[in-house]
Amino acid sequence: DIQMTQSPSTLSASVGDRVTITCRASPRINSWVAWYQQRPGRAPKLLIYKASTLETGVPSRFSGSGSGTEFTLTISSLQPDDFATYFCQHYDGYSGTFGQGTTVEIK
Amino acid sequence: EVQLVQSGAEVRQPGESVKISCQGSGYQFNNYWIGWVRQLPGKGLEWMGIIYPDDSDARYSPSFQGQVTMSIDTSINTAFLQRSSLKASDTAMYFCARMGASGRIDAFDIWGQGTMVTVSS
Repeated sequence: DIQMTQSPSTLSASVGDRVTITCRASPRINSWVAWYQQRPGRAPKLLIYKASTLETGVPSRFSGSGSGTEFTLTISSLQPDDFATYFCQHYDGYSGTFGQGTTVEIK
Repeated sequence: EVQLVQSGAEVRQPGESVKISCQGSGYQFNNYWIGWVRQLPGKGLEWMGIIYPDDSDARYSPSFQGQVTMSIDTSINTAFLQRSSLKASDTAMYFCARMGASGRIDAFDIWGQGTMVTVSS
């Protein structure tokens, strides 16, 4: 089974900060990794797919990178709308393991 | 507009069954995989499985295999998730979601609004 270990679980930051969230995969995987944002009481929203491709309509301050065992989501300049929970996911034809989630809180 | 609309909240007693629906519109429903994701209260996302509407090819997470049944009715562009013998631990929000590439495996680009299932005596 593929495990996606996401860190940190909680992150306190201020508007304008650069924020990085990491997912470590075990074992090594391909680049079928997605990142989602979820606000309280809402469905998740796709931000990034195939590790680094920005979904249409998502602001360019979001970016994804990585390969193999380490993948990252970066928010270059945190905006008020970005305080939410973020999940990584490895997807393939037979599984879709999510990370545990990272909650970005206001410092 | 491409969207998935799920059925409303359900309240069941332990031992009962529930079947929730997810209707797609604004795209070729038959050609995009539909997935189901569970979210326990205050917890993370769990991938339950995916189903391809055109041929009902269904793939389950080992954690949910034998516990739930996914199905499709292409005549009404609707996917279903059924769970029998409900337990209190099944209380959760259930989301359906569409994979973003026609005929291929991809990330979930469109999500339903979620269906809350509460199991309580």
